[in-house]
Amino acid sequence: QQKVQQSPESLIVPEGGMASLNCTSSDRNVDYFWWYRQHSGKSPKMLMSIFSNGEKEEGRFTVHLNKASLHTSLHIRDSQPSDSALYLCAASVTQVVGQLTFGRGTRLQVYA
Amino acid sequence: GGIITQTPKFLIGQEGQKLTLKCQQNFNHDTMYWYRQDSGKGLRLIYYSITENDLQKGDLSEGYDASREKKSSFSLTVTSAQKNEMAVFLCASSRLGGYQDTQYFGPGTRLLVL
Repeated sequence: QQKVQQSPESLIVPEGGMASLNCTSSDRNVDYFWWYRQHSGKSPKMLMSIFSNGEKEEGRFTVHLNKASLHTSLHIRDSQPSDSALYLCAASVTQVVGQLTFGRGTRLQVYA
Repeated sequence: GGIITQTPKFLIGQEGQKLTLKCQQNFNHDTMYWYRQDSGKGLRLIYYSITENDLQKGDLSEGYDASREKKSSFSLTVTSAQKNEMAVFLCASSRLGGYQDTQYFGPGTRLLVL
């Protein structure tokens, strides 16, 4: 069973709308979450990371983390067609070198 | 800044063939990784290396070998290609490999086995 679950699998939002993506880990040892964005045919690029309870905002992107439920969410406001991509959530564990566990991703499509 | 290059970009092989993929980084990062990305399955870790000549197995290491002869390069060998196999192999690197180090990815090698 996938240790990092993402939902929804795909999401379609209009330009200017809000996109909300979810991610949950089933590994109680996880304490650091990452969001990567991968445009079609390109490599994944790190978007945001979070390890403290609460939220973190960078421009149009906001990440929330609830450590008790090991749930993180990524919200994109004022979505643009250029935001259309595969969004990958990953989790890591303190003291474990090199071990990023990825979810299957959410494919976001923003239409004009 | 830095860059990760992967060669070749596309690789077409025959069933049973041994195939080698190469990765170079100029970030001067200590840790390097190989991931496999199949459609609908996210990224799965094959091997990683925390320093020159070090090798650590990931969840998907069976059927693969890896080699880290120097800090800047990391090679992956598919020991026996499986018929109809199709996947993207992504190389990544991070400064130290710690749980809070960002991993930077290369452009990928697209494999097709006939």
